[in-house]
Formats: sequence, structure tokens, C-alpha cells
Amino acid sequence: EPEVTQTPSHQVTQMGQEVILRCVPISNHLYFYWYRQILGQKVEFLVSFYNNEISEKSEIFDDQFSVERPDGSNFTLKIRSTKLEDSAMYFCASMGQGGTEAFFGQGTRLTVV
Amino acid sequence: GENVEQHPSTLSVQEGDSAVIKCTYSDSASNYFPWYKQELGKGPQLIIDIRSNVGEKKDQRIAVTLNKTAKHFSLHITETQPEDSAVYFCAARPYGQNFVFGPGTRLSVLP
Repeated sequence: EPEVTQTPSHQVTQMGQEVILRCVPISNHLYFYWYRQILGQKVEFLVSFYNNEISEKSEIFDDQFSVERPDGSNFTLKIRSTKLEDSAMYFCASMGQGGTEAFFGQGTRLTVV
Repeated sequence: GENVEQHPSTLSVQEGDSAVIKCTYSDSASNYFPWYKQELGKGPQLIIDIRSNVGEKKDQRIAVTLNKTAKHFSLHITETQPEDSAVYFCAARPYGQNFVFGPGTRLSVLP
């Protein structure tokens, strides 16, 4: 069964460092999302991406964040200068054209120290 | 924007009993309502969904009902088993926009 894969599963980084979280969406899906979940809290929307551009973003997704689809298969989330409060699980999701079901990856646990 | 509320925040049931989780949403434009199950250390897994043109949907022990007039929808799990223990999230989505999740319900099924 096709699935969304994310790497790494766990990333520890120093405050102020840049991190890149990687996702491989389900092939032939066209809509891509990043969500985050702070420990014990609900899943929060960060950004959606369609047709090689951001279609929507939340207020969490400030200038420190960026997304890219560099090669037609990967979908990345970059945090330029990490803060302690960026520590969370980051989930990538993808959805097919005309579909409604979004499939989530297993997540990347980001720990900023 | 859309706001989704979910109750209860925690729920404990005896194995074999039923569990019901309720959600309300605010945006009448929302027309798709998925339910996700999240086990410890894993990503949300879609377990059932319902569209606004349907009032009820069932898949084995899991069912979802939708009252579009009242803007609420519910998840029903019958004959609960220990492996049903997880955090359950409801979500709402207007077509073409992102998903808005409820705060989650931690379900514990006691043997």
C-alpha cells in the first residue's frame, strides 16, 4: 500500500541552526501539507502546497519556514534558525487530485536544544 | 476560519463496551470530515470519513454520523478492544483548503 515517508524520524539540533525535514509523498498525489504537533497537543496546520507553490499557510508559518519540492518527488520543510519552541513532531501529508483523503507520514520528531 | 471542538478529552471504557466521541465545527462551508487514530509515536491514520451529503457511514465496528444543520459529527466504536486504545482526532475541511483538527480524545479500553 502506498505511503508517505518522512526522514529523519528524529532530529536533534542546536538552537539557531537550520534543519531540513524531508518527505516523500505518495506518487501521483498533487497536494502536500506540513503539520506539526507539540507534545500532548493537537495537530496544527503549517502550510499547503500545490502546483509548485504555497496555496495556504498559517500564522505559525513565518519567515523562518520555507517549503520546497526540489525534484518532483521530495517535499521539504526548512526551518532557518530553530528556536526551542520549534520542538515538536512534524507531519507531512499528501492528497491526490480530486481526492479528499489526506495520508500522513510517521512524522519527524524535532528536538531543539 | 474553521474551528473544531472535540469532547471528551479523555474516555475510558471497558472492553466490549461502546465509545462515542463528539465534534462540532463552525464553518458551514466544511464538507468533508475525517477521523484519525494516532498511536503513540506514530502519525495520524485515517480510519473513517464522511462527506456532507451523507448522514451516516459505517465500517465494521466504526461508524460516523453527521448532523450538518447542527454542525456536529460523532465517531462511534462498538465492541471496543484494547487495540482501539489511542488518541482520536476529528477534522473538518472546506473543499480545497487545509484540514482543521480537533484537540483529540485519548481513548483507553480497559481489559
